[in-house]
Amino acid sequence: AQKITQTQPGMFVQEKEAVTLDCTYDTSDPSYGLFWYKQPSSGEMIFLIYQGSYDQQNATEGRYSLNFQKARKSANLVISASQLGDSAMYFCAMRGVYGNNRLAFGKGNQVVVIP
Amino acid sequence: DSGVTQTPKHLITATGQRVTLRCSPRSGDLSVYWYQQSLDQGLQFLIQYYNGEERAKGNILERFSAQQFPDLHSELNLSSLELGDSALYFCASSVGDRGPSDTQYFGPGTRLTVL
Repeated sequence: AQKITQTQPGMFVQEKEAVTLDCTYDTSDPSYGLFWYKQPSSGEMIFLIYQGSYDQQNATEGRYSLNFQKARKSANLVISASQLGDSAMYFCAMRGVYGNNRLAFGKGNQVVVIP
Repeated sequence: DSGVTQTPKHLITATGQRVTLRCSPRSGDLSVYWYQQSLDQGLQFLIQYYNGEERAKGNILERFSAQQFPDLHSELNLSSLELGDSALYFCASSVGDRGPSDTQYFGPGTRLTVL
């Protein structure tokens, strides 16, 4: 079974600043994928970035990067140069190689970007 | 726009009723997943279909059922509805059914309110 932990309280971030969202995970799967999704107030779930457990380099997608520390079982999302449109709930999720193919989600991190 | 479509966007119904939620996956995707998001339970995996066959089951109640049709669209049927079934129901799709790197793309969701 996979478990995702996101425990940060809601965050206020100044526009143009960087923000780091914490995610730790627990799994016994030898291979797994880690994902971040964004859910704005409108409700849709938007895929942001993927990191494979065997990837040697940290994933990057535009202003999003994933700080993957396998030994510490952490997969923190870094958003650079925050924009007002980044205000949303951010979910960390993982999918293992065993068991069913579900995504296991954390409880989310709330981010509010202020001008 | 993820390419996954869901209808209806909103649904208001009464306890004891039955509703059907519809999902069309992204072009080329064979897997469809259903998730339920509620305030108390967070995002919960319900069920997965791959190319018309049920592939994985999660926390899906017996009152709920789903199917995937030959054209790959999927329907989630919720019956004998209770107040606690009020939630945001997401459909997601992905290319395959295995592998931690198989990214799931989410539809806009159907917000169900049971009165």
